[in-house]
Amino acid sequence: SQTIHQWPATLVQPVGSPLSLECTVEGTSNPNLYWYRQAAGRGLQLLFYSVGIGQISSEVPQNLSASRPQDRQFILSSKKLLLSDSGFYLCAWSPTQQGSGGYTFGSGTRLTVV
Amino acid sequence: SQQGEEDPQALSIQEGENATMNCSYKTSINNLQWYRQNSGRGLVHLILIRSNEREKHSGRLRVTLDTSKKSSSLLITASRAADTASYFCATVSGTGANNLFFGTGTRLTVIP
Repeated sequence: SQTIHQWPATLVQPVGSPLSLECTVEGTSNPNLYWYRQAAGRGLQLLFYSVGIGQISSEVPQNLSASRPQDRQFILSSKKLLLSDSGFYLCAWSPTQQGSGGYTFGSGTRLTVV
Repeated sequence: SQQGEEDPQALSIQEGENATMNCSYKTSINNLQWYRQNSGRGLVHLILIRSNEREKHSGRLRVTLDTSKKSSSLLITASRAADTASYFCATVSGTGANNLFFGTGTRLTVIP
């Protein structure tokens, strides 16, 4: 069965420090991968998505970047965190062909920039 | 915007009652999905209804879709305290990887 792992679960980082959040998917090949951010009590904002290795699309201009070094690995990074980067970050995957299923989400990372 | 909007934003009911949440959207869709999110956790896919379907059931969940009104509803029957969570609708339009758009969610509290 397919599983998605996202870590760490919580992270407290000082302003100006780097960031690396990792997401891996098991049990499927060539998934579409996504990074979302969720502000407190709000909906999800799509940050990046990827349809293949090295293929990254950005939805909003920001202080973050994403990379997909392997088929089932998706990394969210920043060189220098800002206070406004605080939030709840979610990784998700979907089949390349949208069928009868929805997206599968990781358990999320709570990032607090201090 | 293609993003859906849930109504109400928050709902509080007694255990055993039914909970109804609504979602409205603006563009034509391929399908509409409902997700649940427990506090501080990831989203869990509950149910998908295609644009040519009007109603779908899954356990205590009943989803309806009215494409003429561009709206959907999620009904949870015989609610339980464990149903307390945020519920999001998401619409899929067109093709490609970036075609899922989430609403802002309804926060459901079921009081034991």
